[in-house]
Order: sequence, then structure tokens, then C-alpha cells
Amino acid sequence: ETGVTQTPRHLVMGMTNKKSLKCEQHLGHNAMYWYKQSAKKPLELMFVYSLEERVENNSVPSRFSPECPNSSHLFLHLHTLQPEDSALYLCASSQDLQGWGEQYFGPGTRLTVT
Amino acid sequence: AQTVTQSQPEMSVQEAETVTLSCTYDTSESDYYLFWYKQPPSRQMILVIRQEAYKQQNATENRFSVNFQKAAKSFSLKISDSQLGDAAMYFCAYRSSQGGKLIFGQGTELSVKP
Repeated sequence: ETGVTQTPRHLVMGMTNKKSLKCEQHLGHNAMYWYKQSAKKPLELMFVYSLEERVENNSVPSRFSPECPNSSHLFLHLHTLQPEDSALYLCASSQDLQGWGEQYFGPGTRLTVT
Repeated sequence: AQTVTQSQPEMSVQEAETVTLSCTYDTSESDYYLFWYKQPPSRQMILVIRQEAYKQQNATENRFSVNFQKAAKSFSLKISDSQLGDAAMYFCAYRSSQGGKLIFGQGTELSVKP
């Protein structure tokens, strides 16, 4: 595997379910990100991790809970979601937070909340 | 706060022709980075081209070039000799030189007609 991978690619869940999204980067990067992409809206940054420490949390509801156990893996734990949380969730990584380093994106998880 | 605006939700170009996608941004910083990302229908977002604000020379990557007008806070993307594979969503993004998050525009959906 190369680059940034995300699983599952598609997820349908009820509002009372608990599920997790997984992201893995094989690039040796130190920073990882979660974005939410909704139709007709700019990408919304949700969380930023640098060296496994959360450095940014953009007022995301507590029903989204990130976890970064090591620099290669990032999870997004979901519980009691709302229909408006349906979106494409993108993971990205970069060498670090500084400079103009490119962010590498995963293919995303298409989440539908019913 | 910095903002990025893409005023063209959709654009269309004939194969082999040239198309320009517009992007404007607002910032009080003097040093920053600007990016164009491409998101094909498969959803994996990739970097197309990037520009450092302190460089006056416009960046070029093969058929892709930018017109960076710092005073006007404009950063347009020109695609020459358009190909069917160029069809995608294109996102303009801003990043402070201090590092941190990318701020994305709303995106422009480009279709290429054979």
C-alpha cells in the first residue's frame, strides 16, 4: 500500500450506531488531518494531529471523537450522529505542519446517516 | 480570518482548448502559500500546483500554470491543451507561512467536452 488509505470507503449508519473511520498513511509523515466535505461547501477542517498530539479542533461536535495512536494511523470515532453529518470524510497527511508541504489525501469515506 | 473564494461553481472547456479557473482570497498576511488541488470523480484529491507569495514568478507545471496577482489577491489556474482526464473538481487553497491548516474555496467543477 502506498499513500493514504481510508476504510471503509462507504458507510451507512443509523443515528444510534457507533462506528469508526480509519486512516493510514504510508509516507512517513508527522501530521494528519480529518476534513469533512459536504456538497456545495468548502472542505471543513475538523482535526489536526502533529506527532500524535491534537493541535487543532475546529469546534467539532463531541459526537466526533478523533484518535491518533501513532503517526501512521488516525481514527474518527462516530456516535449518535445526525443526518446532517452525512458527507465525505477525507483524511490527509503532510510531512509536518510548517512550510508549504503538500497535503496528501486519502480517497475518503462516504458516510450516510439514516 | 483568511477566506478563499471561487466564484465559478462550474466551467466547461472543449478538449485541446484552454480554460482559466478563478480564485480570490483575503488575508492580512504578507507571506503565505497558495495551492490548486484536483479532485477527480474517484475522489482522491491531488496537488496540481503551488505558489509561494513572496515569489513574483508564476508557477508552472506542464500544462498547468497560475496567474498570481498579489496586490489583487487573485490566484487563477490556467489549463492549456485540456484533456478528458482534466475533468474534476478544482479547489483553490490558502495556507499561512506560519503553517497550519489549509483554507479551501468552494470548488469549481470542470467538465471537458470531446
